[in-house]
This record gives sequence, structure tokens and C-alpha cells, in this order.
Amino acid sequence: EAGVTQFPSHSVIEKGQTVTLRCDPISGHDNLYWYRRVMGKEIKFLLHFVKESKQDESGMPNNRFLAERTGGTYSTLKVQPAELEDSGVYFCASSQVGVSSYEQYFGPGTRLTVT
Amino acid sequence: AQKVTQAQTEISVVEKEDVTLDCVYETRDTTYYLFWYKQPPSGELVFLIRRNSFDEQNEISGRYSWNFQKSTSSFNFTITASQVVDSAVYFCALSQWGAQKLVFGQGTRLTINP
Repeated sequence: EAGVTQFPSHSVIEKGQTVTLRCDPISGHDNLYWYRRVMGKEIKFLLHFVKESKQDESGMPNNRFLAERTGGTYSTLKVQPAELEDSGVYFCASSQVGVSSYEQYFGPGTRLTVT
Repeated sequence: AQKVTQAQTEISVVEKEDVTLDCVYETRDTTYYLFWYKQPPSGELVFLIRRNSFDEQNEISGRYSWNFQKSTSSFNFTITASQVVDSAVYFCALSQWGAQKLVFGQGTRLTINP
């Protein structure tokens, strides 16, 4: 079974540009999460989808970040316009519903560098 | 507010030594979950264990063991007879009962030298 995949693995953009990160969860996982780790800090929650609905977006830092999950399958996270402080590693995770929902499976992350 | 502290930023030991990774947490909730994840060089976080707050039994899985103590708000992780393949960054995390977002500690980079 394929794990959580993320694309691209690395992205280097200039301040003010737009970047879109993609996450493909494990097939059949209705829960999808985005986290990020800014350099030197802990991994922080951004938001949680259940199918195509946003269940919790309390961690989204500001309105430059837009997450979508059309059709309840893959998800995209767009940063527009990117700022220097957005640099970090963006992780996606997925889980099943029910008791197993607490076991999140993570992708390898997208390393975003804003210059 | 919830918080997880992993005071050990980096640990380096020689293969076959036992090593304990510390995790201390803060929460006002009476029911919650605690987790450990391993991040190997490939980058993804690999789930290791989940514990419920009402179950303080220690757990052993092969060379791995976990010591959960509510009295000290700690959930420590011990690797017995460490191996080079155990080298990774290890994260402790916490979630509220009924909520799924994880609150992570800063991570501990463990290096096992041959």
C-alpha cells in the first residue's frame, strides 16, 4: 500500500511568488492534516480536513495560506504571496476515521525555501 | 494550553548502549493521548506508539519501551541495546481527547555510533 506522498520534495521561490504544495493521502483515509516545521522550531499543526470539509483550521497562520481538498482525495496548500518566514518543511498526514483516526501517517514533507 | 517539552536536543551513544529520550507534557485536559514518532533520514514521521491518559501501564515492543507517569507528566522512551538503525529524530506529541491535531515537542536527534 502506498504511503502519503507529497510533491514537490523541495521548492525554492522568491519572496512574493506563489507556491502550491500537493499531498496525496493513503487511499481510503478521510482525514488529512497539514503541519509545518519552521527551522529550529517544533512541528506545528496547520489544518485538518475530513473528506473535503475543513474540520479545524485553527493553525493556519494568515490569509496568505489557502488549503483545498476538492473531491476529498488529494489536497493542495497554496502560499500567496510567499514571505521569508514561510520557509520550512510542510508535512502532510492522513488517517482513517474512528478510533484509528488518532494514528496519523505522515509524508516525507516538502521543504520550502523562500529567498 | 498544551505543550510538549523534549529537553534533550541531541543525544549520541555507542551502539548497544541503552538510551532514554525524555518527554514532559502540559495539559489541562483529564483525557488525552500521547505519541512517539520517529523521523529517519528519509524525512517522513513514522508512528511508534499511542497511549491513552487513563492507561499508565508501561509498554514494551522489542527493544523499545515506554514509561508513562501521570504524576510527573512524563512519557519517556527507552531503546535497549541501541543499533545504528535507531539513529533518527524522535518526536513526542500530545493530542486532546476527541481532537486529532498533534502538539509536538521540539524533537531529539539520536545518533548511534558503531
